[in-house]
Amino acid sequence: ETGVTQSPTHLIKTRGQQVTLRCSSQSGHNTVSWYQQALGQGPQFIFQYYREEENGRGNFPPRFSGLQFPNYSSELNVNALELDDSALYLCASSFGNPGYTFGSGTRLTVV
Amino acid sequence: QKEVEQDPGPLSVPEGAIVSLNCTYSNSAFQYFMWYRQYSRKGPELLMYTYSSGNKEDGRFTAQVDKSSKYISLFIRDSQPSDSATYLCAMSGSGGGADGLTFGKGTHLIIQP
Repeated sequence: ETGVTQSPTHLIKTRGQQVTLRCSSQSGHNTVSWYQQALGQGPQFIFQYYREEENGRGNFPPRFSGLQFPNYSSELNVNALELDDSALYLCASSFGNPGYTFGSGTRLTVV
Repeated sequence: QKEVEQDPGPLSVPEGAIVSLNCTYSNSAFQYFMWYRQYSRKGPELLMYTYSSGNKEDGRFTAQVDKSSKYISLFIRDSQPSDSATYLCAMSGSGGGADGLTFGKGTHLIIQP
């Protein structure tokens, strides 16, 4: 079985720009969530999608948005990038329980 | 006060030692407790997953949850240099995970050969 794959692995963007990060869930997993991990910190929950609907959201502003597709792949979009958005963005998938499988992440640098 | 407190370390122990990693939490709604291992430049890898209080063992790893004290532990027996990594505790209140996982900051563990 395949794991969770994320693309791209690294990205550099300018403040004010928009970015789209992509994730392919582990086979058979219908739930995907996104996390932001700043250097030296634990991951912070952004939001979760279940069967293409957002069903949970952490303390992140609306400029963080997402999509889940019928094949359970997912996107994270961030508008109006700020310097503090620089972090490792992690995608995680599961089949209806909190035991998530994480991808290796996309490292975003905002300059 | 953060919802989940975890000593960031580093914690350095000799090979073969028993390692004890701990987290405390404040939210009594948490019912699902997990330990993840994260190597540098990688995503977290699920090690142990426990529901409510009690112990769970898997090979060299034992997870303990004491909900009355709001305290969870991970024990690693016969530690190996390959166990050197950051260990993250994580918790959730719902089985479906819609409230997301709340993580500790992570403990950086170093196993000395």
